[in-house]
Amino acid sequence: AQSVTQPDIHITVSEGASLELRCNYSYGATPYLFWYVQSPGQGLQLLLKYFSGDTLVQGIKGFEAEFKRSQSSFNLRKPSVHWSDAAEYFCAAVSINNDMRFGAGTRLTVKP
Amino acid sequence: EAQVTQNPRYLITVTGKKLTVTCSQNMNHEYMSWYRQDPGLGLRQIYYSMNVEVTDKGDVPEGYKVSRKEKRNFPLILESPSPNQTSLYFCASSYVTDAGELFFGEGSRLTVL
Repeated sequence: AQSVTQPDIHITVSEGASLELRCNYSYGATPYLFWYVQSPGQGLQLLLKYFSGDTLVQGIKGFEAEFKRSQSSFNLRKPSVHWSDAAEYFCAAVSINNDMRFGAGTRLTVKP
Repeated sequence: EAQVTQNPRYLITVTGKKLTVTCSQNMNHEYMSWYRQDPGLGLRQIYYSMNVEVTDKGDVPEGYKVSRKEKRNFPLILESPSPNQTSLYFCASSYVTDAGELFFGEGSRLTVL
């Protein structure tokens, strides 16, 4: 079955430190890949997406993600985390027949 | 302003009392879907619709119904709610050609006693 896995349930980083959130997918063919962010009490907002081409994609709020086909991964990164980045982050994938799956989410805490 | 609007945002109800959560989008999106979010499980798709009068089951459709009579509206119906349907529900929409690029509503927190 197709699935998306986020191995880290909760990550804590200090403000100004770098961040990497992990995401792995299991699909028959390479799906379209996404990262969403959910702030407390809010819906999800799209951060970035990968369809094809350049494996390093840039998103909003200074985030980027790298697609690695050999590792079936799509990890999210940010060079310097701000306190306002504290939120829950979801990786998602969708196949060409519109089968969309979300990971279980990674909650990010930012220490002052 | 482009948005997906869900109502109600919060609801406490009792087992067996039919309820409807409405969802409306103003972006002329063809695709609409419902998800439930539970701790540790992420978002799971309940139903989706590729266009008017076209609906399909997602991963967890049991106990839910939907209809898509108009392009902008996609209500979620719980005919006989049960406590295991206590959850946070999200409606989302997108253009069919932009698969996965979803616009989400703010969520509806439902408690079934």
